[in-house]
Amino acid sequence: AQSVTQPDIHITVSEGASLELRCNYSYGATPYLFWYVQSPGQGLQLLLKYFSGDTLVQGIKGFEAEFKRSQSSFNLRKPSVHWSDAAEYFCAVGVRGNEKLTFGTGTRLTIIP
Amino acid sequence: DGGITQSPKYLFRKEGQNVTLSCEQNLNHDAMYWYRQDPGQGLRLIYYSQIVNDFQKGDIAEGYSVSREKKESFPLTVTSAQKNPTAFYLCASSIAGTGELFFGEGSRLTVL
Repeated sequence: AQSVTQPDIHITVSEGASLELRCNYSYGATPYLFWYVQSPGQGLQLLLKYFSGDTLVQGIKGFEAEFKRSQSSFNLRKPSVHWSDAAEYFCAVGVRGNEKLTFGTGTRLTIIP
Repeated sequence: DGGITQSPKYLFRKEGQNVTLSCEQNLNHDAMYWYRQDPGQGLRLIYYSQIVNDFQKGDIAEGYSVSREKKESFPLTVTSAQKNPTAFYLCASSIAGTGELFFGEGSRLTVL
């Protein structure tokens, strides 16, 4: 079965600084990979997804992620964070032909002025 | 606007009572899901349905039940058999085969 690890429970960065959130997955074949964002008390919104092809994917709100097969990673990056980026971020992995996604435990992002 | 509507947003119940959470979507998606979210545990799949009148257990189905009588609707019942029902419940839907989930705003259930 697939699994997802987000090793950072909480990250604090200064507004305007760069950001990288880590995600490692465990699965034998090429998975579908997703990053979702959740504001407090809200549902989740899709930031970006990787199915195949170019390993660097662009998403909404200026986010990007890079799929690295050799490292089983799909880290999320943003060159300059804004106060509105404060939220919880979830990485998820899916399997081709299977409707189920497996989510990581999330990384809470705090932005300081 | 197309989307997923969950109701109620907040719900309180006494121990021993069953409660049903509503989830409606107008995205014409075939697949629908229920997730439970607890602090520090991410999202855990309760039930999912890929087609009307069919559904499968997820990872934590015990104490929950669902039905899928219409494509648009996928209600979740939290029964008295669920030992720790206080949680945030999220409904989602997807186009079959993509795995890309669209989420509702969630329902927070508190057992008093």
